[in-house]
Amino acid sequence: DMKVTQMPRYLIKRMGENVLLECGQDMSHETMYWYRQDPGLGLQLIYISYDVDSNSEGDIPKGYRVSRKKREHFSLILDSAKTNQTSVYFCASSLEGASGNTLYFGEGSRLIVV
Amino acid sequence: GEKVEQHESTLSVREGDSAVINCTYTDTASSYFPWYKQEAGKSLHFVIDIRSNVDRKQSQRLIVLLDKKAKRFSLHITATQPEDSAIYFCAASSSGSWQLIFGSGTQLTVMP
Repeated sequence: DMKVTQMPRYLIKRMGENVLLECGQDMSHETMYWYRQDPGLGLQLIYISYDVDSNSEGDIPKGYRVSRKKREHFSLILDSAKTNQTSVYFCASSLEGASGNTLYFGEGSRLIVV
Repeated sequence: GEKVEQHESTLSVREGDSAVINCTYTDTASSYFPWYKQEAGKSLHFVIDIRSNVDRKQSQRLIVLLDKKAKRFSLHITATQPEDSAIYFCAASSSGSWQLIFGSGTQLTVMP
């Protein structure tokens, strides 16, 4: 059905709490991404995953970690959330790398850290 | 690393007019330039792309121009309609790269 699904869609957490954002795709795509979107900054790449257990830092990995144990599933973990991690997080997937391949985005997860 | 700058943060046009959104990039090795659209409160979806082996591509009312010498590319939306109102993101990627670098987005408003 070519879909990227993110859970949860909305989340409010207290500073210092752990956060788990989950992403699934049904296209058997090799590559998956986590971006965050902030006003005026566009989309910033947090992590990229080339396949199961093959992950690489993006431009802003500090404060985040990821897990990919199955090709169709990619998780973003915030250990001890900070207020500056309040943002909208987008997961995306592509057949292979981003060059020449369309990225398919999830609906986004809005995280508020208070 | 690659940086993509999107010059217009907001753009307003009258319905039926054309809209132009401009982007520049820094890495001469960049060869793939897609555009994504984000409607209010929704996710991003692909609209059109251009590769470095051509300098113009058209898909219905969307035209993308690429000037490799100036490291500049642009999205032209002709005969704009209210449903074109959205945030448009340009992006760039080098051949063989796994990453897509996005611009900061342009909020396009089409006024009736």
